[in-house]
Amino acid sequence: KAGVTQTPRYLIKTRGQQVTLSCSPISGHRSVSWYQQTPGQGLQFLFEYFSETQRNKGNFPGRFSGRQFSNSRSEMNVSTLELGDSALYLCASSDTGGVGEQFFGPGTRLTVL
Amino acid sequence: KNQVEQSPQSLIILEGKNCTLQCNYTVSPFSNLRWYKQDTGRGPVSLTIMTFSENTKSNGRYTATLDADTKQSSLHITASQLSDSASYICVVSLGTGFQKLVFGTGTRLLVSP
Repeated sequence: KAGVTQTPRYLIKTRGQQVTLSCSPISGHRSVSWYQQTPGQGLQFLFEYFSETQRNKGNFPGRFSGRQFSNSRSEMNVSTLELGDSALYLCASSDTGGVGEQFFGPGTRLTVL
Repeated sequence: KNQVEQSPQSLIILEGKNCTLQCNYTVSPFSNLRWYKQDTGRGPVSLTIMTFSENTKSNGRYTATLDADTKQSSLHITASQLSDSASYICVVSLGTGFQKLVFGTGTRLLVSP
């Protein structure tokens, strides 16, 4: 089976812009989670989607949003970008959600100038 | 406050040597503990997942131990290889749901020839 894929791999934006990141989970997996990783904070949970519904949400402002399509592919959107949004954004897929094993994608490196 | 602390922050060892990474947590209630390996520029890859009733689990040259009484875990790497150079992240789960994962900031390991 193909692994989790994320596009684009690298992105440079300026403050105030918005960005959309995409994640394709492993075939058959219905749970997709998104994480932000920065050197200072480590990995932080953004949200999780399961069968097109947001099931869980972390402590991030409303500028961070997401959605999941019927084929389980997921997108994450960040509006009004701030310098502090510069990070590696990872998505992970799981067949069961909950405490099941997660498989991470390679991430999208976002730089906000 | 639920926290996961890892030590050391970074470590350099010679190829072929063994090493042990530490993880102390104050998470409660505890569901399971995971160790991930993250190569530079890539997403984390799961090494082990342990519930509170397990005190050791191996994955090849990687052996994780868990002491639920003292809330400590360790990851032992045997006969290190250059490919072991990576960050190792300890993650503790409060319960079901990925929003309940508490991440450590990781130990960066460099295996030198």
